[in-house]
Amino acid sequence: TQLLEQSPQFLSIQEGENLTVYCNSSSVFSSLQWYRQEPGEGPVLLVTVVTGGEVKKLKRLTFQFGDARKDSSLHITAAQPGDTGLYLCAGEETSGSRLTFGEGTQLTVNP
Amino acid sequence: DAGVIQSPRHEVTEMGQEVTLRCKPISGHDYLFWYRQTMMRGLELLIYFNNNVPIDDSGMPEDRFSAKMPNASFSTLKIQPSEPRDSAVYFCASSLRGNVYGYTFGSGTRLTVV
Repeated sequence: TQLLEQSPQFLSIQEGENLTVYCNSSSVFSSLQWYRQEPGEGPVLLVTVVTGGEVKKLKRLTFQFGDARKDSSLHITAAQPGDTGLYLCAGEETSGSRLTFGEGTQLTVNP
Repeated sequence: DAGVIQSPRHEVTEMGQEVTLRCKPISGHDYLFWYRQTMMRGLELLIYFNNNVPIDDSGMPEDRFSAKMPNASFSTLKIQPSEPRDSAVYFCASSLRGNVYGYTFGSGTRLTVV
């Protein structure tokens, strides 16, 4: 099983600040996804990146897939309290359809 | 579509009892996954099915765990006998054509074994 490491594990910031969350692996993934999970609910898909070097924007969220397809980052601009949640990256193994999840970054945005 | 439906939402049981968790995937999805989430280990894949056939059960902790998918609209995860270390949130997820469109997760079953 390929491992994904996320950093930081916890992040507490004030409303309006910018932040970046990282997802790293020593293995190559065929695609990588980011999910957000709120308390008492399952993870919800935010984005899928497939091509090395790919950048996708979703409103104030910017996702990047590393050139070598081993790492990814999530940047949030002008964070809002509604962005609070557990952010999970998940890589699709090259050998099949299963996703391996990172341990997550717990983000708290204080008003 | 109502999404992936899991039941029960919460389960409290005594050690040694049998526990059955249920999942109804999204209609038309051909993959179904069972995950377990804990603070210590995060989200762990237990088993997944493709077209109702188990493909990979290497994540199932031990023989006390079993999963079935008798048809395209229903799956169960059974723990017998249950132990306190099985306490976790168990998620079911379904997808179409593997990971092309991502997974849709249910709301989970929070299991507490006392």
